[in-house]
Amino acid sequence: AQSVAQPEDQVNVAEGNPLTVKCTYSVSGNPYLFWYVQYPNRGLQFLLKYITGDNLVKGSYGFEAEFNKSQTSFHLKKPSALVSDSALYFCAVRAALRNFNKFYFGSGTKLNVKP
Amino acid sequence: KAGVTQTPRYLIKTRGQQVTLSCSPISGHRSVSWYQQTPGQGLQFLFEYFSETQRNKGNFPGRFSGRQFSNSRSEMNVSTLELGDSALYLCASSPRGDEQYFGPGTRLTVT
Repeated sequence: AQSVAQPEDQVNVAEGNPLTVKCTYSVSGNPYLFWYVQYPNRGLQFLLKYITGDNLVKGSYGFEAEFNKSQTSFHLKKPSALVSDSALYFCAVRAALRNFNKFYFGSGTKLNVKP
Repeated sequence: KAGVTQTPRYLIKTRGQQVTLSCSPISGHRSVSWYQQTPGQGLQFLFEYFSETQRNKGNFPGRFSGRQFSNSRSEMNVSTLELGDSALYLCASSPRGDEQYFGPGTRLTVT
C-alpha cells in the first residue's frame, strides 16, 4: 500500500536558522515524490519533485529536498529560514503506474518561523 | 497562463441538500483531481478525471460524484449533505500526471 508519513505536526525554527521538515514514504516501485506548501485560505502550491536522477532536488523559494532510498525518506530543507516561510507543508507520493495519477498526501507539518 | 479556478469560493448548505462545485483547469491540462481537506483527516483523494473519464477513485461514498466536460472543466457533486462533509474541497490539474497545480478551493459549510 502507498502511504506518506510526516512525523511532526509542527516544526518551530528561528529566522536565519536551517530548517528540516521530515517525510517518509511507502510505495510500490519507483517513487514519484513531491512537496507542496499551503498558506492560510489558499490552495496548495508546488515546491519541488523527485522523479529520478540526483538525490538532491532544488525547488522554489530556496527549498531543497533529499531523496534517500535506503531510509525511504524525502526530507524538505532550507539553509536559512524566513518568517514568510511559515505555512503548512505537505509531502506527497504518486502511486505506481497502474493508478497513474493517484496521489497520497501526508498529514501536513506546520512550520513556524519566529523572528 | 491563468491558474486553476474554482467556484464558488464559499458555500453554506443545510443537511440533506446537494451541492455542485466547479473547477476550471489550467489551459492544456487534461487531468483534473479532487481532494477533500479537513483538519482531522488531512488531504484525502476523491477522484481523478482524464479526457472525460474517471480514471481513479478514492474511498468516499457514492454521494460524492463528479464529471469532466470536453473542455476539461470538471464538476463535483455531493448529494444528501451531512455535517461531516464540511471541508475545503480542492481541485488540481496536471499536464502529464506528475506535479499537480491546485486551485484556491471551495470552503463548504454544512449546517
